[in-house]
Amino acid sequence: QKEVEQNSGPLSVPEGAIASLNCTYSDRGSQSFFWYRQYSGKSPELIMSIYSNGDKEDGRFTAQLNKASQYVSLLIRDSQPSDSATYLCAVTGAGNMLTFGGGTRLMVKP
Amino acid sequence: KAGVTQTPRYLIKTRGQQVTLSCSPISGHRSVSWYQQTPGQGLQFLFEYFSETQRNKGNFPGRFSGRQFSNSRSEMNVSTLELGDSALYLCASSSGTGVEYGYTFGSGTRLTVV
Repeated sequence: QKEVEQNSGPLSVPEGAIASLNCTYSDRGSQSFFWYRQYSGKSPELIMSIYSNGDKEDGRFTAQLNKASQYVSLLIRDSQPSDSATYLCAVTGAGNMLTFGGGTRLMVKP
Repeated sequence: KAGVTQTPRYLIKTRGQQVTLSCSPISGHRSVSWYQQTPGQGLQFLFEYFSETQRNKGNFPGRFSGRQFSNSRSEMNVSTLELGDSALYLCASSSGTGVEYGYTFGSGTRLTVV
């Protein structure tokens, strides 16, 4: 079983809709959780971090964390075509390293 | 503030050769990590350095090595290249003593082994 699991997609949503991206992780000791966005041919870009249970909002993005259920999610409100990218969930593991999920490809259709 | 700088951006090497990739972290960042990204395996952790010490190493063969200099710049070396080493190699730096604030990635070095 992979340590960080994401549905590979593609997840297709219409412009203006809410996109919901999910991630589960296996290490109960994980303390820090991140969402990265990666456009095709580019490197990952950090868009959200979350450390405690609950919701964290930043503009159109909301990260949600539930440590008891070991899942993290990212909501993107008012999705735009420019949000079309692969979204990577990352979780701290043993030592000072991040473990990444395989990513979910999001397509926002005009 | 300059970001993470990786050189070169592209490399083409022949099987059996060796290659050295360079990474300059964001000024003040002392933790540098390296990842390999391929379509099939995603982002795989190679190693992490802090203050010139390797603190963590991923599950890669000994052909993959790295080091960090006193100015926090880092290099990774791959010897006896194989076709399967073709990948995007990403360097990332983080502030603080670990990854509590996440990584900032460089643009990567795309290595093609022929």
